[in-house]
Amino acid sequence: EIVMTQSPATLSVSPGERATLSCRASQSVSSNLAWFQQKPGQGPRLLIYGASTRATGIPARFTGSGSGTEFTLTISSLQSEDFAVYYCQQYNNWYTFGQGTKLEIK
Amino acid sequence: EVQLVESGGGLVQPGESLRLSCSASGFTFSNYGMHWVRQAPGKGLKYVSSISSSGGATYYADSVKGRFTISRDNSKNTLYLQMSSLRVEDTAVYYCVKEYSSSNYFDYWGQGTLVTVSS
Repeated sequence: EIVMTQSPATLSVSPGERATLSCRASQSVSSNLAWFQQKPGQGPRLLIYGASTRATGIPARFTGSGSGTEFTLTISSLQSEDFAVYYCQQYNNWYTFGQGTKLEIK
Repeated sequence: EVQLVESGGGLVQPGESLRLSCSASGFTFSNYGMHWVRQAPGKGLKYVSSISSSGGATYYADSVKGRFTISRDNSKNTLYLQMSSLRVEDTAVYYCVKEYSSSNYFDYWGQGTLVTVSS
């Protein structure tokens, strides 16, 4: 099983600033990586697929990068609605998720 | 607009059974693979099971293999998860998830239904 490790577990950032979230795979997943946003009481929402392609309707302030085993989600100029939990997921070999990064208001 | 609405969750005792349903709309259901993913209270996301667009191929996480059965009725636009021999550790919100055609990633999720296994 491919293990996905996200860091940090919690990230405190002020509105308007930039947030950088990391995701590492235990073996290469090529570019078969997705990022999801989850708010309390809701199902996850797809943000990024193919490591760097924004899903339909996702604002340009969300940027995904990386390939192989190292991936990054960058959110520039944080808005109030961006504070949530973020998960990475590999779909190269079945499906496994990272444990999540909670993005909280500083 | 794609909509996935889960139902059938509830409180059951260990060893009992439960069937979840997911009603799909806003897309041609029979063209897409579908999945179940679960989330224990306060925890992260865990893959449970998948089914191909025709229903001819099914896949399961090791933790549920032999106890859960995924199925679909394309005439009713509905996905199912039959859960048997439930354990306390199966307690979670269960999400119905649509797969993007041919690329395997998950593009739409439902709101989830809570299954609680407790004596």
